Amino acid sequence: RKEVEQDPGPFNVPEGATVAFNCTYSNSASQSFFWYRQDCRKEPKLLMSVYSSGNEDGRFTAQLNRASQYISLLIRDSKLSDSATYLCVVNRGTGRRALTFGSGTRLQVQP
Amino acid sequence: GAVVSQHPSWVICKSGTSVKIECRSLDFQATTMFWYRQFPKQSLMLMATSNEGSKATYEQGVEKDKFLINHASLTLSTLTVTSAHPEDSSFYICSARGTRDRGDSPLHFGNGTRLTVT
Repeated sequence: RKEVEQDPGPFNVPEGATVAFNCTYSNSASQSFFWYRQDCRKEPKLLMSVYSSGNEDGRFTAQLNRASQYISLLIRDSKLSDSATYLCVVNRGTGRRALTFGSGTRLQVQP
Repeated sequence: GAVVSQHPSWVICKSGTSVKIECRSLDFQATTMFWYRQFPKQSLMLMATSNEGSKATYEQGVEKDKFLINHASLTLSTLTVTSAHPEDSSFYICSARGTRDRGDSPLHFGNGTRLTVT
């Protein structure tokens, strides 16, 4: 079983749509959770951290369910510029540990 | 702040040659640097973790004699791909964690190096 699993997509949605991505992780010791965005042939860029209580940043909402080891990202009012691959990322446990990346979910927003 | 500079951005080399990739933290001291590799349509896979002044810790399946990592200072880490072969062609990305970063902080990434071995 992969440490971090995501649906690879692609998700093709029209502009203005609301789209949700899900992610599950296997390491119950993971303490930190993030969503990164990666554009084609570029490095990943942090989109947002994910907190236990859920958090929102503009059109983006992230949720964490520790009991189910499940993370979600909701994008409202999709823009063309949201087209990218979204990576679910968790740390390997407590302390100064490396991050484990999911393989990403590709989003294509169409005009 | 927290800028990580990686060079070169891309390199094409012949099979059997060695390639050095540099990763610099420009405005902070990086106590830990991570080297990742990403093949097309796949996830970033951690290759090794290096702490300043000590030997790197390699992930299972990564050959330490082939991928030489040096982290001699708090602002510079290098990855040398020795005797490169076409199967080493990939996107290599470094990331760093600074002295002020907590263990749960996100990483600062370099812009990546696309290596093509012909």
